[in-house]
Amino acid sequence: EDQVTQSPEALRLQEGESSSLNCSYTVSGLRGLFWYRQDPGKGPEFLFTLYSAGEEKEKERLKATLTKKESFLHITAPKPEDSATYLCAVQKLSGGYNKLIFGAGTRLAVHP
Amino acid sequence: DGGITQSPKYLFRKEGQNVTLSCEQNLNHDAMYWYRQDPGQGLRLIYYSQIVNDFQKGDIAEGYSVSREKKESFPLTVTSAQKNPTAFYLCASSIGGKRGSTGELFFGEGSRLTVL
Repeated sequence: EDQVTQSPEALRLQEGESSSLNCSYTVSGLRGLFWYRQDPGKGPEFLFTLYSAGEEKEKERLKATLTKKESFLHITAPKPEDSATYLCAVQKLSGGYNKLIFGAGTRLAVHP
Repeated sequence: DGGITQSPKYLFRKEGQNVTLSCEQNLNHDAMYWYRQDPGQGLRLIYYSQIVNDFQKGDIAEGYSVSREKKESFPLTVTSAQKNPTAFYLCASSIGGKRGSTGELFFGEGSRLTVL
């Protein structure tokens, strides 16, 4: 069964304390992996797309990496404004359609 | 500015009532989606549409209905047949590829529905 699991469920960091969020997946025929950021009460905002193992993408303090079984979102020297829920989604072809399967997310809180 | 507008932001419904959530986009995207978000769960796809006048059921379509009469609009009706409708509903759009979404979705701000 296709599954996307994110860990930890919640993470509390001090400002400047670097860490990583994990997204592991069991999906046949992966077509891409996507990271989104979601602020409370808002819709998710697209961050990155990764297509193949070994690929990396960076944006400000965030760096996303991909292996054959998981992806990491590394946060370097986080700031309080990085506090949000980070969602991972994998894409596969299902019934002739590029289907997205979302994980439950990691709630990140960065304290000053 | 281009984007997706969902309304209302908050909605209260009595049991047995149908309600319609509005979703409008001015991004000129072909594909539009409705997702449901519940605490502790990933987003689940309700319906999607890759082109005007065509839509497909997602993973949890029972108790919901949609229409796609215009490219810009994709309203969702939550019917009385939906057993547990209290949730956060998200509308999204994307550039439609040969087989649908590229995976980069643009989301609205969401509509929170509470059944009293």
